Amino acid sequence: KAGVTQTPRYLIKTRGQQVTLSCSPISGHRSVSWYQQTPGQGLQFLFEYFSETQRNKGNFPGRFSGRQFSNSRSEMNVSTLELGDSALYLCASSLLQSGDTQYFGPGTRLTVL
Amino acid sequence: SQKIEQNSEALNIQEGKTATLTCNYTNYSPAYLQWYRQDPGRGPVFLLLIRENEKEKRKERLKVTFDTTLKQSLFHITASQPADSATYLCALASYGNTGKLIFGQGTTLQVKP
Repeated sequence: KAGVTQTPRYLIKTRGQQVTLSCSPISGHRSVSWYQQTPGQGLQFLFEYFSETQRNKGNFPGRFSGRQFSNSRSEMNVSTLELGDSALYLCASSLLQSGDTQYFGPGTRLTVL
Repeated sequence: SQKIEQNSEALNIQEGKTATLTCNYTNYSPAYLQWYRQDPGRGPVFLLLIRENEKEKRKERLKVTFDTTLKQSLFHITASQPADSATYLCALASYGNTGKLIFGQGTTLQVKP
C-alpha cells in the first residue's frame, strides 16, 4: 500500500498570504489528522477529519482551517500568514480515529518570510 | 494543566547498551499511550502502543512499560545500535477524547559506535 503523501513538500510564502496544503491518506483510512511541528512547541494537534466532518480541533486560531473530501483526501488552509506559522506541517491517517496508530506523511515545510 | 514530559536532554549511550527513555504525564486519563520514532526531516513512525490496562509490551528489541499509578511510561531499546539514533516521541490518547493524540516534546537518542 502506498503511504501518506503530502504536497507540496516545501513552500515559501510572505506574511499576509494564504496557503493550502494537501494530504492523501493511506487507501482505506478514513481519519486524517493535521499537526504543526516547531522546534519550540513540538508536535501540536491541529484538527482531525473523519468522513468529511471535523471531529476534533486543537488550540489554534481560526486562520487555520481544513476540510476532507469524499475520497478521504484532506486539505488544510492557513490564511493571513504570520512569521510564527513557519513550521513542518504533518498529516497523518488512521483507520478509524486519530487516537489509533497514526501513519504520518513526510510533511510540508512552510517558511513564512 | 495537562502536561506530557519526556527526558528534556538528549540521551547519549554506547552501542550495545540499553537505552531507557521516560514519558511522564499529569492531568490525563490515558486510554493508551504510543511511542513513535522520528528521523530529521521526516514524519514520525509508529513503534508501539500500550493500553491503560497493560503493564508491558515488547516488540523485538523494544519494550514499553506503562504505570498509571506513577503516571509514567518507560521505553527501552536493548542492544542499541547507531541506527537507533533518532528522536523518540510519546503520545497519549485520553478517555473521553481518543480522537485526539497529544505528543510529548521528544527525546533525542544518540548511540555511539
